[in-house]
Order: sequence, then C-alpha cells, then structure tokens
Amino acid sequence: AAGVIQSPRHLIKEKRETATLKCYPIPRHDTVYWYQQGPGQDPQFLISFYEKMQSDKGSIPDRFSAQQFSDYHSELNMSSLELGDSALYFCASSQMGQGTEGGYTFGSGTRLTVV
Amino acid sequence: AQSVTQPDIHITVSEGASLELRCNYSYGATPYLFWYVQSPGQGLQLLLKYFSGDTLVQGIKGFEAEFKRSQSSFNLRKPSVHWSDAAEYFCAVGAGGFKTIFGAGTRLFVKA
Repeated sequence: AAGVIQSPRHLIKEKRETATLKCYPIPRHDTVYWYQQGPGQDPQFLISFYEKMQSDKGSIPDRFSAQQFSDYHSELNMSSLELGDSALYFCASSQMGQGTEGGYTFGSGTRLTVV
Repeated sequence: AQSVTQPDIHITVSEGASLELRCNYSYGATPYLFWYVQSPGQGLQLLLKYFSGDTLVQGIKGFEAEFKRSQSSFNLRKPSVHWSDAAEYFCAVGAGGFKTIFGAGTRLFVKA
C-alpha cells in the first residue's frame, strides 16, 4: 500500500542556509501534519494543513513556513538555519483532519543536519 | 493543559517475558489515546488507539492497551516480547484541533 513519502531522506546544510522538505501524503488523504523530533526527544507538532489551508499551528519558528499544494503535497521551508534545527522532521497524513482521532500515518522522515 | 507522561525512559526485558509500558495523560475531555512505535531512524507506526467502547484495545504485533479513566492511564502490554520489539514506544493523546501530543517515549531493550 502507498505510504507517506518524504524527500529528501537526509539533508546537510550550513548555518544560515535554507532548506525545503517535501511530503507526499497517502492518496485521498487531504490533511498533512509536520512534526519535529530532536535527538532523544518526542515529536513536537509544528503545523498542519487541511484542504490546502493551514488548520493548526504549533511550535513552528517564524523562520519556517509551510504550505499545501493543489495535489495535497506539502513543503516545509526553513530559512536562516541554526544548529538547533538539526532534527528528524516527520510528515504525517490523514483524511479530513482525523489524525488526532484515528491516528496518523507517518512518513520515514527527513533527517536534517545543520553544520 | 493536555500532557502525556511516560515515567520510564527505558525498560529492559528478556525475550519471551511479558511487557508493560506505562502512560499517564492529562486531558479535560474524553481523550483519543494512541501508542506508536518507532524503530531507529524510522517513522512512527500506529500500534493501537482508543476513544470509546471496550477499555481493552487490541493492536498490531500482539500488543494491547487498557484505558483506566480513574487512573488516567493507558498502559501498553504484550504477553511475550520478541527481539524485534526492541524500539522506542510513544504514548500520545489527540489534543483537539489538528495536533497530537506525544509523551517523551520509552525505549525498550530486549535481551536474549
């Protein structure tokens, strides 16, 4: 079965550079969620989109922005990268915002390393 | 405010032994509760979920969890652990809106 696809799997950037992470949800899923997981930490909610509109916002820095496109894929744009942004970034998808009720399907994540 | 507490940072059990991972939550309404498992470098996989009905829920890979409202707990259990169960386990609560709050995780080690 198709899963949530994230690209790239690994990314190395220097401080103050920008990065773009991509997420392709499961077909017919209209909601995507972004989470950040620091080393040894639990996943922290960043932001979510439902039907291409931002639906909820968590602890996402102002340096980050995200959007969901007409094909429901989502991109997380990160600027002025800092060392502390090094983490695993997960995307999850669900139908109709039901992730908080029915559970998420997560992608394998993008490991971002800022040097 | 909603929160999830997993008191055990790591647990070691012998292969074939039983397992119980603890989870306590704080949530004003009836919670949506989940357990996820994460293998190293991988995404999180949903093991099971609870919202209403039977307080003992069955999940994948032989796991089950019991919701106890009086104790605000949702402990995960497995009667016989396999070496492949070694991973990190996250308890989570649907916090309303579009966000889910995760516990800090419990890393399970399985010894032969």
